[in-house]
Amino acid sequence: DAGVTQSPTHLIKTRGQQVTLRCSPKSGHDTVSWYQQALGQGPQFIFQYYEEEERQRGNFPDRFSGHQFPNYSSELNVNALLLGDSALYLCASSYGPSYGYTFGSGTRLTVV
Amino acid sequence: KNEVEQSPQNLTAQEGEFITINCSYSVGISALHWLQQHPGGGIVSLFMLSSGKKKHGRLIATINIQEKHSSLHITASHPRDSAVYICAVEGSNYQLIWGAGTKLIIKP
Repeated sequence: DAGVTQSPTHLIKTRGQQVTLRCSPKSGHDTVSWYQQALGQGPQFIFQYYEEEERQRGNFPDRFSGHQFPNYSSELNVNALLLGDSALYLCASSYGPSYGYTFGSGTRLTVV
Repeated sequence: KNEVEQSPQNLTAQEGEFITINCSYSVGISALHWLQQHPGGGIVSLFMLSSGKKKHGRLIATINIQEKHSSLHITASHPRDSAVYICAVEGSNYQLIWGAGTKLIIKP
């Protein structure tokens, strides 16, 4: 039974570019949450998707957007990258809003 | 003041010692999670609690809803338990509010 799969694992982008990160939830999970974890910091909630809609959003600018597909997989898009966007981006899936989270290994984004 | 406070921030112990990590929170919650994060980012969900006590192997988690406090205990600690342990609470808005984490090092 595959857990949460994130791709790519590492990514280097230039300031001002756009990036798309992908997440496949654990089998049977229908809810996907995205987190940003800067080096040495705790994860910060970006947003959560359920039934292909953004259900809840954290304190992130509109440059951060997402999408959930009918198969429950999800994408995180970041436009106009800033150096401060360099972080580990974690995806977590669950069945419903709060029934135990399974985390992916994350995508390490470096903006230069 | 942070909504989720963990203590201690860092903990170094000898193999075999009994470990306790504490978590206090100041918001209303629907559940509390204990998570383990290894170097490189991988996060493992250890427990989700809404009341009482849960045990899994050498790990025990307790929560006191009235006191807004939870503890994670590790019995017979082992060097492979070395990791960052994170307490995160979940409110009615589906967000996980994370504590700063406790870095645990178990020496052989």
